[in-house]
Amino acid sequence: DIQMTQSPSSLSASVGDRVTISCQASQDIHNFLNWYQQKPGKAPKVLIYDVSNLETGVPSRFSGSGSGTDFTLTISGLQPEDSATYYCQQYSRAPYAFGQGTKVE
Amino acid sequence: QLKLVQSGAEVKKPGSSVRVSCKGSEDTFNNYGINWVRQAPGQGLEWMGGIIPRFGIPIYARKFQGRVTITADKSANTTYMELSSLTSEDTATFYCAKSKDILTYDAFNIWGQGTVVIVSS
Repeated sequence: DIQMTQSPSSLSASVGDRVTISCQASQDIHNFLNWYQQKPGKAPKVLIYDVSNLETGVPSRFSGSGSGTDFTLTISGLQPEDSATYYCQQYSRAPYAFGQGTKVE
Repeated sequence: QLKLVQSGAEVKKPGSSVRVSCKGSEDTFNNYGINWVRQAPGQGLEWMGGIIPRFGIPIYARKFQGRVTITADKSANTTYMELSSLTSEDTATFYCAKSKDILTYDAFNIWGQGTVVIVSS
């Protein structure tokens, strides 16, 4: 099975900061990589699909990059409403594993 | 826009089974991969398996294989996830989530509200 490893597991930042979250796959996932945001008590919400495509309605301060096994989610200009846990997920091959999550405060 | 509505919270005894339903608001529901995701309290997301109702063939994560059964009723725009041999470690919120593109499994763009399952003696 493909393992997804995120770093850091948590971070604290200020409003306006640029934040980056890394995600590493245990093997090449051919850019089948999504990012989700989850707030407490809520279902996750997709932010970015296929590495770098912004889901409709998601603010442009969110962006994704990477290829092969190494991927990054960037939040440019952190806002208070961005406090959440962020997960990467591969869908190259089942099981479609998630990373362990990164809590942004 | 398609919405997913899940069945209500459950309290189960260890060793028993639970069945959670996920109903789509439109007939197009049957053309999308519908996935099931488990989230234990304070923990991350685990993909359990999925099904494309139009085809009716489920796929499962190895971790849950033998304990989980995912089925679909196309006429009712509903999929079901049944988990057996429950233990306290199965206490969690279970989500169904629809894949973004038809007839495949990709980004999960629409999620159900979640169903809380508590396993306790």
